[in-house]
Amino acid sequence: SQWGEENLQALSIQEGEDVTMNCSYKTYTTVVHWYRQDSGRGPALIILIRSNEREKRSGRLRATLDTSSQSSSLSITAAQCEDTAVYFCATDGTGGYKVVFGSGTRLLVSP
Amino acid sequence: EAAVTQSPRSKVAVTGGKVTLSCHQTNNHDYMYWYRQDTGHGLRLIHYSYVADSTEKGDIPDGYKASRPSQENFSLILELASLSQTAVYFCASSAAGGGSDYTFGSGTRLLVI
Repeated sequence: SQWGEENLQALSIQEGEDVTMNCSYKTYTTVVHWYRQDSGRGPALIILIRSNEREKRSGRLRATLDTSSQSSSLSITAAQCEDTAVYFCATDGTGGYKVVFGSGTRLLVSP
Repeated sequence: EAAVTQSPRSKVAVTGGKVTLSCHQTNNHDYMYWYRQDTGHGLRLIHYSYVADSTEKGDIPDGYKASRPSQENFSLILELASLSQTAVYFCASSAAGGGSDYTFGSGTRLLVI
């Protein structure tokens, strides 16, 4: 699970496996962002799930949000090598003007 | 295509020197942000702005200044660069703060020696 100033976590799986990354947050949020960052690039939004949504899907990606436990998850079904990246969750912080990022999960998918 | 463009892509600066990182967005977004990323860590917010000619402190503003002369442009200024400011810096824009998606630039890799 990622948050705060902890070091980047690492997950290594084989192609075709399913994987779930977890995120817990400390303060109320109206939205959870999930970003993907490829090496040498800036983060890119992959799913944005709002507090009135429990689940959101986009292709092989599925995000969940549990506001009671202040946690979110991102699942990838049948991971492929091109899913290799760092995945961040982020929330809209206390003021709503800004996004606060978790520490991230480095996912390596091997053939 | 809407985008966030950062310049330079990389820079080597000497300790005590002044460094200016520039960001330009064509998204017509009101909000712009500067984040810092250290190797193996997430992104931390330095400064942000929700309107031209105004900037706000983020979570780690010490040692940094910001300038938003227009809706499209947002600069990050290191008046006296220090070794601890070696990092990758990302600029981002969003339409409506934390509740809307962010568009990030490709980053500026800064090495202070």
